[in-house]
Amino acid sequence: EVRLVESGGGLVQPGGSLRISCAASGLTVSSNYMTWVRQAPGKGLEWVSVIYSAGTTHYADSVKGRFTISRDDSKNTLYLQMNSLRVGDAAVYYCANYGGNSGGMDVWGQGTTVTVSS
Amino acid sequence: DIQMTQSPSSVSASTGDRVTITCRASQGISSRLAWYQQKPGKAPKLLIYAAFSLQSGDPSRFSGSASGTDFTLTISSLQPEDFGTYYCQQGYSFPLTFGGGTKVEIK
Repeated sequence: EVRLVESGGGLVQPGGSLRISCAASGLTVSSNYMTWVRQAPGKGLEWVSVIYSAGTTHYADSVKGRFTISRDDSKNTLYLQMNSLRVGDAAVYYCANYGGNSGGMDVWGQGTTVTVSS
Repeated sequence: DIQMTQSPSSVSASTGDRVTITCRASQGISSRLAWYQQKPGKAPKLLIYAAFSLQSGDPSRFSGSASGTDFTLTISSLQPEDFGTYYCQQGYSFPLTFGGGTKVEIK
């Protein structure tokens, strides 16, 4: 069974940092396109970042320069390092396996909640 | 950025009804469009990819079509378990973008 499990969410003050993780099983993170998508409370889905199997990364403009996507191949885990957090970054963060531009996001984690508040 | 305009924002229909949801892209995206279903408190679930292809395991009452920059998700016979919010997403270029969502309610 393919499974993605996010962790690391929590409460952080504006301007603070947080790293969230996505542990994969039944799927090799380094061989796939992996992406982060977030959803603010009561709002729609917003794409955040993607990392290709070759290591190429892309970011939404709203997080560029503040967030960094990475992976640890030995742990088969995806990460999102979030710095200079803003109130507007508060959301449920989902990791997902992305099938590329002709595919879709076919496997999702359950999400981890990030709250940004003083 | 490519804008995805989804309509309607909500729909209420009866079991057995045909439901259509439309997504319009602000520019050509070929067939690089996916549809998702999300139920409250849950992660989204992929229904359709490449505009027309039904994801393995999904019921055949879901189908996707396209005409130019207009994309449609059709539920041929609405079932009680089809409630939730539906989103389109373009995969043509970065940043990937989602439509605003369509909430489907069962009368």
